[in-house]
Amino acid sequence: AQSVTQLDSHVSVSEGTPVLLRCNYSSSYSPSLFWYVQHPNKGLQLLLKYTSAATLVKGINGFEAEFKKSETSFHLTKPSAHMSDAAEYFCVVSDRGLTGGGNKLTFGTGTQLKVEL
Amino acid sequence: KAGVTQTPRYLIKTRGQQVTLSCSPISGHRSVSWYQQTPGQGLQFLFEYFSETQRNKGNFPGRFSGRQFSNSRSEMNVSTLELGDSALYLCASSPRAGGPPDTQYFGPGTRLTVL
Repeated sequence: AQSVTQLDSHVSVSEGTPVLLRCNYSSSYSPSLFWYVQHPNKGLQLLLKYTSAATLVKGINGFEAEFKKSETSFHLTKPSAHMSDAAEYFCVVSDRGLTGGGNKLTFGTGTQLKVEL
Repeated sequence: KAGVTQTPRYLIKTRGQQVTLSCSPISGHRSVSWYQQTPGQGLQFLFEYFSETQRNKGNFPGRFSGRQFSNSRSEMNVSTLELGDSALYLCASSPRAGGPPDTQYFGPGTRLTVL
């Protein structure tokens, strides 16, 4: 079984400073990893995904993540935080499911990002 | 393209009742998955349908069931509702269910409250 661990439940930054949201994964084979964001009372929006191509993945709104196999990490970063980035962020691993096919996402517990003036 | 739509957006039921939630995937997407989101358990996978067949199932009791129609629209049903079923139910669609894991696109969710 695959799993992800988000190391911080809450992160607070000042507007204009860098953002780092940490995620470690566990997988028995090469995983597909995603970061999703959820704004209050909204659904989930895909930020970026890693599927064994380039290890540095660029996403929307200036976010990027680096896949590090040796550290089993997939941390999310952004050089400069904006007030609109305040939301909950989920690190996600995709499992092929019991049949070896299909899509089954396993979510981390989420990191609440607060951006202060 | 229109995104994933879910109806209704909000629902209030009482214990013991049953409920049906609906999901229309993005046009052309054939895989539909359902997730439950609660403050205590986070986001948990319920099941996935592809071509009207259940492909994967999470660890939920048999009270939770689903189906998919030939136009890829999906419904999930919860029978004999319990207070703990209060949650945000999210539907996600993706183009296929085979090969490398696919990006899933989420709807806004249905907020179910059980009184």
